[in-house]
Amino acid sequence: DQQVKQNSPSLSVQEGRISILNCDYTNSMFDYFLWYKKYPAEGPTFLISISSIKDKNEDGRFTVFLNKSAKHLSLHIVPSQPGDSAVYFCAAPPNTGNQFYFGTGTSLTVIP
Amino acid sequence: KAGVTQTPRYLIKTRGQQVTLSCSPISGHRSVSWYQQTPGQGLQFLFEYFSETQRNKGNFPGRFSGRQFSNSRSEMNVSTLELGDSALYLCASSLGRMGNEKLFFGSGTQLSVL
Repeated sequence: DQQVKQNSPSLSVQEGRISILNCDYTNSMFDYFLWYKKYPAEGPTFLISISSIKDKNEDGRFTVFLNKSAKHLSLHIVPSQPGDSAVYFCAAPPNTGNQFYFGTGTSLTVIP
Repeated sequence: KAGVTQTPRYLIKTRGQQVTLSCSPISGHRSVSWYQQTPGQGLQFLFEYFSETQRNKGNFPGRFSGRQFSNSRSEMNVSTLELGDSALYLCASSLGRMGNEKLFFGSGTQLSVL
C-alpha cells in the first residue's frame, strides 16, 4: 500500500520562479518527513526535513510546509534554478524500524 | 568521511542467474537498508539490517535476501533472476536509531536482466 503519495510525476518551471512539489500521506502516525533529491545515475541525497511539531521548516531556497490535518506536505523552491532539475522524493519513516516509505517522485525541470 | 559505497555500479545478467550486490555504509552507521527503484514505482523497501540482524523486511519474494557483517557492510543477493528484477538497487545507511533520522544513499547498482 502506498502510504506516501506524490501525484504529480513531473513539473516544469521557469528559472527564477517558484517550484511547488506536493506530497500526501495516509498514516497519521507519521511524525517526521524528509525530502530527497535525485539526479540520474546517482543515489538520492537528503534535502530538508520537518517534524510534525512544526508546520514549516526553511533552509535557504527550500521550504517545506506540513499540514497535518490534511496529511499533506509541500516543498517550495524559490527561486528555482536549472541545477534544481532532478527527481524529488518525499519520505516518511515509521515510529519503529527504518523502513522508510517513499513517494513515487516528481521530476522537476527548471527551464533557463 | 567517506559516503556509502556500492559495488558494482552496473551489472548485466541473464534470466535464471543469481547476483550479489555489495554495500559499505558510512563509518559508524550500523543500519543498512536496501531499496529497489523502477520507473514509476518510486523506491520500494527491500529490507533493513542492524547489527547483523534483519530488523525489517519489505514485500518481496524470498529470491531476495541479504546479510550484514560485523563491520556493518552488507550484501544483497537475488537468485533465479527474472526480467522484472531489472532496476536500480540502492543501499542506504544510518545510525539505526528509531524515529527521526536521515538515510544516506549510495549511488546504486544498475542491474539489467536479459
